Amino acid sequence: GAVVSQHPSRVICKSGTSVKIECRSLDFQATTMFWYRQFPKQSLMLMATSNEGSKATYEQGVEKDKFLINHASLTLSTLTVTSAHPEDSSFYICSARDLEGLGTDTQYFGPGTRLTVL
Amino acid sequence: AQTVTQSQPEMSVQEAETVTLSCTYDTSESDYYLFWYKQPPSRQMILVIRQEAYKQQNATENRFSVNFQKAAKSFSLKISDSQLGDAAMYFCALNFGNEKLTFGTGTRLTIIP
Repeated sequence: GAVVSQHPSRVICKSGTSVKIECRSLDFQATTMFWYRQFPKQSLMLMATSNEGSKATYEQGVEKDKFLINHASLTLSTLTVTSAHPEDSSFYICSARDLEGLGTDTQYFGPGTRLTVL
Repeated sequence: AQTVTQSQPEMSVQEAETVTLSCTYDTSESDYYLFWYKQPPSRQMILVIRQEAYKQQNATENRFSVNFQKAAKSFSLKISDSQLGDAAMYFCALNFGNEKLTFGTGTRLTIIP
């Protein structure tokens, strides 16, 4: 149980284009999902908290217009990197909070998406 | 503000031996959750073990166990009978219900055959 998928696993795009990354909770409902960014050999940096049916909450320093988050259903959240530039190249990871499984605030993570902007 | 500190950037252990990864944290909350996540080369974050702060009993999951010292704000992970598949980056994390996980900087564990 508590499986989270992410699609695509890898994406290469040209500078100026937009890229959408999907995060799905496969066997549980997730009212809250999280988006992280991870640089090589570093820890995870929280970008935003995505709540189903409401606007995402962004961390300080994260551009809302650059990283659009939509959480339209209890099993799907999307991150769109708009007008991507080489500095947006990174590893993006989503997680979903399963309140009912373990009954705690446990987050389960997707396998990540490697974005390369040329 | 919450902080999580992992003071060991790298650790290594002989296969089949036991290793302990250290983690200290700081929070003003009395009720919170602590986690150890493993990130192997595939970069998939995997939950290893979790501990609820109000429970005094240390959590155990097969070969993985924790030593939770609430007063000292310490949460170490012990891996027994280390296996090659245990090689990974290990992150300690803290959450007290505001939905955000605070991560440590990680410890890279190498298993020596």
